[in-house]
Amino acid sequence: EIVLTQSPGTLSLSPGERATLSCRASQSVSNNYLAWYQQKPGQAPRLLIYGASSRATGIPDRFSGSGSGTDFTLTISRLEPEDFAVYYCQQYDSSPRTFGQGSKVEIK
Amino acid sequence: EVQLVQSGAEVKKPGESLKISCKASGYRFSDYWIGWVRQMPGKGLEWMGIIYPGDADTRYSPSFQGQVIISADKSISTAYLHWSSLKASDTAMYYCTTLAMGYNNPSDYWGQGTLVTVSS
Repeated sequence: EIVLTQSPGTLSLSPGERATLSCRASQSVSNNYLAWYQQKPGQAPRLLIYGASSRATGIPDRFSGSGSGTDFTLTISRLEPEDFAVYYCQQYDSSPRTFGQGSKVEIK
Repeated sequence: EVQLVQSGAEVKKPGESLKISCKASGYRFSDYWIGWVRQMPGKGLEWMGIIYPGDADTRYSPSFQGQVIISADKSISTAYLHWSSLKASDTAMYYCTTLAMGYNNPSDYWGQGTLVTVSS
């Protein structure tokens, strides 16, 4: 199965700053079948990005995804207070689908 | 509007059986794959498996194969996750999720989660 490794584990930033999260796959993810989710405490995950770079419905344009093959990035251009959360990448290219271990964006 | 409503929290003893549910609305139930995701306390997301209610095609993650059973009842638009003998390590939040865009797509709709606590 494809193992996804996210970094950093925790990112401490202030509102208005830029956040860059990384997701590295143990083997190539075909067709860029890579998604990003946001999860806040006590809530279900929410789909942000699919196909490595397409924003899901209703997702603000400060969220962007990029990458291909084994290296993917989620960028939040200017952090809003509601963006402090845990972010997970997921590959849906091969079975079983797998998630990264998560990256927490916390308020500095 | 697609909605997934999961059954309520459960407290069980080791060795007991349990079936939790996920009732779907807002779309034709047979048309979308439904998956299950586990989140142990303070931990990340783990993909358990998926079912296509249209023909009951079910695919498990190797880590969960033989540990749980995923099923669906088209007549009441409900998917299920079943344990025959719970262990303390099954204590977790469980989410159901749909693939409304199709199989080779991410999880776009999520239930609110069902907390399962297994303790003697």
